[in-house]
Amino acid sequence: EDQVTQSPEALRLQEGESSSLNCSYTVSGLRGLFWYRQDPGKGPEFLFTLYSAGEEKEKERLKATLTKKESFLHITAPKPEDSATYLCAVFTSGTYKYIFGTGTRLKVLA
Amino acid sequence: DAGVTQSPTHLIKTRGQQVTLRCSPKSGHDTVSWYQQALGQGPQFIFQYYEEEERQRGNFPDRFSGHQFPNYSSELNVNALLLGDSALYLCASSTDRGNEQFFGPGTRLTVL
Repeated sequence: EDQVTQSPEALRLQEGESSSLNCSYTVSGLRGLFWYRQDPGKGPEFLFTLYSAGEEKEKERLKATLTKKESFLHITAPKPEDSATYLCAVFTSGTYKYIFGTGTRLKVLA
Repeated sequence: DAGVTQSPTHLIKTRGQQVTLRCSPKSGHDTVSWYQQALGQGPQFIFQYYEEEERQRGNFPDRFSGHQFPNYSSELNVNALLLGDSALYLCASSTDRGNEQFFGPGTRLTVL
């Protein structure tokens, strides 16, 4: 069964304290892996798409990487405005469905 | 360029009633997907529409149905509402399945 697991469930960081969020997946044919940011009560905001192992994407303080079994979202020198839930999703060529993880709730303290 | 829009923003219904939620996709997008997101959970895929047809469906009962119009906008209908249907309903659009999706702000449905 296709599955996406994110860890940790919640993370508290001090401003400037870099860290990484993990998204591990077990799917029948990965066609794409997506990272989203979601603020409370709002729709997810698209961040990155990764298609193949070894691929990396960067945007401001965020960097996403992909291996054959997991993806990492690295946050460098985070600021309080980076506080949000970060969601990982995969699209599988086996079922042609998007499957989301449950997210990592990030809180960055000033 | 308008992004994905959804209406209404909030909705309160009672058990057994029916509800219709609406979505307009991002300009240039022809594929619309609907998701249900319970508090503290990730979005759960309901179904996807392309060329006015339901192309893919998640593990949701037949009480959940939808429609896509020629202008690519879409509706989600839920019949015989249950308390457990209370959630944030998200619409997402893309240029094709498998591509990045762009989400609307969601409709918060409360069933009493």
